[in-house]
Amino acid sequence: QLHLQESGPGLVKPSETLSLTCTVSGGSISSSSYYWGWIRQPPGKGLECIGTIYYSGSTYYNPSLKSRVTISVDTSKNQFSLKLSSVTVADTAVYYCARRSRSQNSAYFDYWGQGTLVTVSS
Amino acid sequence: SSELTQDPAVSVALGQTVRITCQGDSLRTYYASWYQQKPGQAPVLVIYGKDNRPSGIPDRFSGSSSGNTASLTITGAQAEDEADYYCNSRDTSGNHPVVFGGGTKLTVL
Repeated sequence: QLHLQESGPGLVKPSETLSLTCTVSGGSISSSSYYWGWIRQPPGKGLECIGTIYYSGSTYYNPSLKSRVTISVDTSKNQFSLKLSSVTVADTAVYYCARRSRSQNSAYFDYWGQGTLVTVSS
Repeated sequence: SSELTQDPAVSVALGQTVRITCQGDSLRTYYASWYQQKPGQAPVLVIYGKDNRPSGIPDRFSGSSSGNTASLTITGAQAEDEADYYCNSRDTSGNHPVVFGGGTKLTVL
């Protein structure tokens, strides 16, 4: 059974960089069949895909966040990471990591981490 | 367009059938996927592809699509189906591969 677990600070100061890591267990992050993604959900609001990465390092970023986002992968540790720079209170959210199928006709996330709340506050 | 539109709230009587819809230009090209999210929990995939259910998802959940509209149907809604439901699909704009709808709050009366 695949398991994803987010880790990182729960509190980040405004203008600093948010850093999270997702550790994948029960399967290989180097599978050719999947992308790995970060999705966030501000309190009381909907889901927003931040971006995805393939094990080769190829990335896709949400255009609204692209200038501040870096997603990277470490296949030796079976992990992928998120960095979001210059954060503001608007970046306060639950951050999820998830696995996305490489289906040509859809974009479904079939396994999700439990999520981690990141609060931006001084 | 990079948007998927959902009704904010829908209600259904216990045991009745409810349809939750998702509209967007990308749905003319790509299938929608559907997620159920209960308070304080991560989303759970309930429908993907043309009409596929992951293991463990009850068969009262089904999916369909017509034109720019995808639908999630719950046949015989149960109390435990009360949740937020989100659709998503690939994005046709070329800017970003994934887009989510705004979510629908389902109340089971």
